Amino acid sequence: AQTVTQSQPEMSVQEAETVTLSCTYDTSESDYYLFWYKQPPSRQMILVIRQEAYKQQNATENRFSVNFQKAAKSFSLKISDSQLGDAAMYFCAYRSGRGGGADGLTFGKGTHLIIQP
Amino acid sequence: KAGVTQTPRYLIKTRGQQVTLSCSPISGHRSVSWYQQTPGQGLQFLFEYFSETQRNKGNFPGRFSGRQFSNSRSEMNVSTLELGDSALYLCASSLGDSPYTEAFFGQGTRLTVV
Repeated sequence: AQTVTQSQPEMSVQEAETVTLSCTYDTSESDYYLFWYKQPPSRQMILVIRQEAYKQQNATENRFSVNFQKAAKSFSLKISDSQLGDAAMYFCAYRSGRGGGADGLTFGKGTHLIIQP
Repeated sequence: KAGVTQTPRYLIKTRGQQVTLSCSPISGHRSVSWYQQTPGQGLQFLFEYFSETQRNKGNFPGRFSGRQFSNSRSEMNVSTLELGDSALYLCASSLGDSPYTEAFFGQGTRLTVV
């Protein structure tokens, strides 16, 4: 079974600075997809960024980018110019491509990101 | 466009009872998946439906069941509730069944079993 590990239960960053959230995963598959989701206090999970494992180029979405190291099975999220609205729980997630992804998302335990004004 | 709607938002049930949670996906979305979120176990996959067919089920006992209707709305049912079933239940919908498709989540149903 695949596992996703987020080693930082909590991170704190000053507003406007850059922060990197870590994520590692364990899989024997070659076809898979990786995601970062954000869960603010409203509890609604929101997709931040996603990456297809077969693509070597790191995904970028505005202030959010990933560092995808396939050999190391690492998928970290970098948030640039942190804003107060970025404060939330961040979950790294894995989805197998096997069976069309029918196994659903496997989530890490999450990192609580605090933004200091 | 309306998002994913889960009802009810909060629920308190007694041990041994059964409960049904509802999820209305975004219009046009045919895939619905359910997750259980607890402080101890985190987010765990329950099941996924696509066009009324259950594609897969996570490692949960048979007390957990679900279904999807022809309009893509989905329900999940938990019978013989246990204290450990207290959790936030999240529903997500997506347009297709591709693993790369973005999943849009609802705000969840908070179930408390007493």
